Order: sequence, then structure tokens, then C-alpha cells
Amino acid sequence: AQKITQTQPGMFVQEKEAVTLDCTYDTSDQSYGLFWYKQPSSGEMIFLIYQGSYDEQNATEGRYSLNFQKARKSANLVISASQLGDSAMYFCAMKERAFSSGSARQLTFGSGTQLTVLP
Amino acid sequence: GAVVSQHPSWVICKSGTSVKIECRSLDFQATTMFWYRQFPKQSLMLMATSNEGSKATYEQGVEKDKFLINHASLTLSTLTVTSAHPEDSSFYICSASPPGERNTEAFFGQGTRLTVV
Repeated sequence: AQKITQTQPGMFVQEKEAVTLDCTYDTSDQSYGLFWYKQPSSGEMIFLIYQGSYDEQNATEGRYSLNFQKARKSANLVISASQLGDSAMYFCAMKERAFSSGSARQLTFGSGTQLTVLP
Repeated sequence: GAVVSQHPSWVICKSGTSVKIECRSLDFQATTMFWYRQFPKQSLMLMATSNEGSKATYEQGVEKDKFLINHASLTLSTLTVTSAHPEDSSFYICSASPPGERNTEAFFGQGTRLTVV
């Protein structure tokens, strides 16, 4: 079963408008972390925002905010005031057992959403 | 934030040759690093977990004899694609997390675009 689901292969948004990129996840763990990364055409993975499963407040980082609905297992990314430079692929990812001791855990990625910001 | 450096950023090689890709954590020690593979317009798929001082753990379907991983020090992991074929052409990217950080953010290298001709 898919652990991370991104149902929007492509999204368009007008410059200066807000856009929401959807992400749902599936896990039986109680402690997990949710991440959003931006990948421009150069290929680098740029960390945007993080939400821990125990965090009570939604994470915010500048123009990025994460709409975390734990009961629905969703972690949507909201980008406010879109800019042309926001055009890129966006990946939602999860790290299970995020807070357990021991070796680091890998990230499981969704299929991504290609965002295009229109002038 | 922490820095992970990957080299080379791109490489073109002939079929049958081997290619080595390096992943270095520049300002922290990483006992574990991860190697991902990404085909065009697709997601990142975990290939293997690189463990310092022990054998790598490979994901199902990944040939360990073809993708050799060596994690000889706490700051360096290498991925060697042996006897490369055109179907090995892909984007390879590594990641590592600083130890002891509760948010366990993963820092990525710049990625390596491999083209086998």
C-alpha cells in the first residue's frame, strides 16, 4: 500500500495567489515526521517544512505552512503569495518511528506534484 | 543547516564501465546514509542504506553486486555502479541526518546525473 499519496501530478497557480498541494499518508506508528521538499529542474532537494506527529500546532516557515490533520492523515502544503521561482516539483515525505533511538530512518516519498506558477 | 556534498554532479560513461559516486557529510558525522534513485518525472526510490563499518542494507529488487556501497568513514559513503548499462542511466542522490536531532531532517547531496552510452 502507498504510504504517501500525492494525488495532483500537476498544478497551476497564478503569481501572487496561494496554492495548496495535497498529501495523505498511511502509518501505524505513533511517532513520525512529515516533510515537504522542493525539487527544481537542477535536481537538488530543498527542505521546506517539517511537522512532527506530536506537534499540536501546524508548522509554518515563511510563505510555507503545513495543514496537518492527524485524524485524516493529511499534511497539505500551503504556499502563499506564489512566485515564479516556486515553479518546481514538490514532494511530500514521511519518516516513521522518527523519535526512536538508534540508527537514522529513511524517508518515504510521494509521487510528487509539479507546480507551475503563471505570470 | 548541515551540508551534504555529492560528487560528481553529472557523469557520462560507456557501457560496461564502472562509475563511483561520493557522498560526504561536511559538518557532521553520519553513521547512516541513504542512496536514492530517481527516474525522470518520478519520485525518489530508496536503493540502500549505507552503514558505517558494516554492510549496506539493500531494498528489494536492488542488485547489491551491481550497486556497491562502501561507508568507510563517518563522513563518506560511496556508490559504485558496476558494469553500467544504459538502463542504469538515472539521477542518484544521497542523504544523511545529523545524529541526535529530534526532527531528524534529512539533508541531501546535490545529486548525480548518470548517463550510460
